[in-house]
Amino acid sequence: DAMVIQNPRYQVTQFGKPVTLSCSQTLNHNVMYWYQQKSSQAPKLLFHYYDKDFNNEADTPDNFQSRRPNTSFCFLDIRSPGLGDTAMYLCATSRVDDQPQHFGDGTRLSIL
Amino acid sequence: AQKITQTQPGMFVQEKEAVTLDCTYDTSDQSYGLFWYKQPSSGEMIFLIYQGSYDEQNATEGRYSLNFQKARKSANLVISASQLGDSAMYFCAMREGQTGNQFYFGTGTSLTVIP
Repeated sequence: DAMVIQNPRYQVTQFGKPVTLSCSQTLNHNVMYWYQQKSSQAPKLLFHYYDKDFNNEADTPDNFQSRRPNTSFCFLDIRSPGLGDTAMYLCATSRVDDQPQHFGDGTRLSIL
Repeated sequence: AQKITQTQPGMFVQEKEAVTLDCTYDTSDQSYGLFWYKQPSSGEMIFLIYQGSYDEQNATEGRYSLNFQKARKSANLVISASQLGDSAMYFCAMREGQTGNQFYFGTGTSLTVIP
């Protein structure tokens, strides 16, 4: 059974049009992470929540925002996507922040 | 400096043979964790194995084992009895820091298992 669920699996959007990616978990984990993975590259951490505590990576563009309305859900909002934001976006969770992360299947985002 | 270095962009192994994927890391922290993940072409990241910096024994999970050499700062993944389904990208990752806020991935190694 899927424990970290990302929706949608594939998303195509226009340059500059806001887009929201969704992640939900059934593991009741404290920590939720968002990664960006461009083609043939390693995943890059964008930000994470430890419960309601938001932690932004220093080099994450301002264009990227996140919301965590409750333990189960976390959203990635891209306010004005550029062509360079085409990537796989991975959501992950962990019980606490030194435990292995469990990943969802990812959302492949294409900006046209 | 790179936190995680994977020097093998691509590896080939014969089915049923063992293969070692290299990973070296750089940290000045005493407490850290090392992870290996598998990413098939479908994109999902699958956790394989974990080694804590204070663990004296090498971690083992089924066909996966982690050859942890702390003095050399290396954490190589050994896959025994390779299967065709092992063909995938493999990422080494490190959690650094007391609060675990810093998490770094290597650039990955693409493993192809040959029948």
